[in-house]
This record gives sequence, structure tokens and C-alpha cells, in this order.
Amino acid sequence: DAGVIQSPRHEVTEMGQEVTLRCKPISGHDYLFWYRQTMMRGLELLIYFNNNVPIDDSGMPEDRFSAKMPNASFSTLKIQPSEPRDSAVYFCASSLPTGGFPTGELFFGEGSRLTVL
Amino acid sequence: QKEVEQDPGPLSVPEGAIVSLNCTYSNSAFQYFMWYRQYSRKGPELLMYTYSSGNKEDGRFTAQVDKSSKYISLFIRDSQPSDSATYLCAMSARGGYNKLIFGAGTRLAVHP
Repeated sequence: DAGVIQSPRHEVTEMGQEVTLRCKPISGHDYLFWYRQTMMRGLELLIYFNNNVPIDDSGMPEDRFSAKMPNASFSTLKIQPSEPRDSAVYFCASSLPTGGFPTGELFFGEGSRLTVL
Repeated sequence: QKEVEQDPGPLSVPEGAIVSLNCTYSNSAFQYFMWYRQYSRKGPELLMYTYSSGNKEDGRFTAQVDKSSKYISLFIRDSQPSDSATYLCAMSARGGYNKLIFGAGTRLAVHP
């Protein structure tokens, strides 16, 4: 299996621009997670989906952030408009149908490194 | 106060040393404890998992949980340069991924 695939790997943009990050989960995994990692705050859960339905978006920092999962093999995280404080590495992860219970094993992509100037 | 506290390091040790990595937590409901390893420019990957208190050993790695002290540890014996990575503890109350709370991660460098 190819693992979780994220694109782009790197994105540099200017403040105010729209940013779209993409994720393809592992086939057969019906849980999908978006995390953000910064030096200051570590790894934070933004939102997660089960069977393409958003379950918990309480970690989404503000209305500028939105996430969709139109089908089982694709999800997007959009930031509009982007701000310098959004600079971080954004990870997508997926897990097995049981939610990874009881091991809590999440399979992470390699991340999208976002820099907002 | 963060729910999970982890010293960010960096921690630098010579090859062959025993490494001790630790996390403390405040939520007594946590029952599932994990260690993830993250190599530079990569996503985290699950290294070890333990449930409730006790020890678990896997090769050179040993995970310990002390719920009475709200303290978990990861020991690496005979450390190798390939162990150089960031180690993140993670924990949850209900198991699986539910509200998996990560520590900030400790950067470890093992030099030859």
C-alpha cells in the first residue's frame, strides 16, 4: 500500500491567499484526521471524519479553516484567507475501521509544510 | 496547564547509551498510552502501545506506565544512531484514536 498521500509537500504563499491541502487516505481506512504541528503547540487535532462525515471539528482554529471529504479516498483542508500564524506542518492521518482500537494507531502522511509570508 | 507535558529536549547521547524519555499528564481518565516516533520531515509512526499501568517490552524498547504518579516512560537500550528522531507520547481516555492527546515531543540525537 502507498500509505497516506498528501499534497503539496511544500507551499509558500502570501498572506490573504487561499490555500488548499489535499489528502488521500489508505484504502479501507474509514477514519481520516487532520493535524497541525508547530514548535510552540506541538501536534494538534483539527478535525476528523468517519465514513466521510465530519465528527469533531472543535480543533479547527477559526472560520478561515474548512475541511471536506467528498468521498472515501479524498479530503481537503482549506484556509481562506491565510495568515502568517497559519504557518505549520499539516498532517493527514487515517486509521482502520475500528478507529484503530485499541492500539490508537494512526497512519500519518508525510505532511504539507505551509509557509505564509 | 497542558494535559500532557513532555520535555522537548534536545537530548544527545552516545551510541549504546540507555535513553529515558518521559511524559506527565493531568487527566486521570487516560488509560491508553502510546509512543510515536517521528523522523525528520516525516509523519509520526506508532512505536509502542500500553494499556493502563505496567510495562511492555519490544526489543530494545520498554514502555512503562505509572498511573498513580501520572507518569509514563519510554526506555531505549543500546541506542543506535538510527534511533535519532522525535519521540511523542500520546494518550487517550477511551482508547483508539478518540481525542488522542499528544505531547510536544522530545528530540533525541544518538551520535556514533
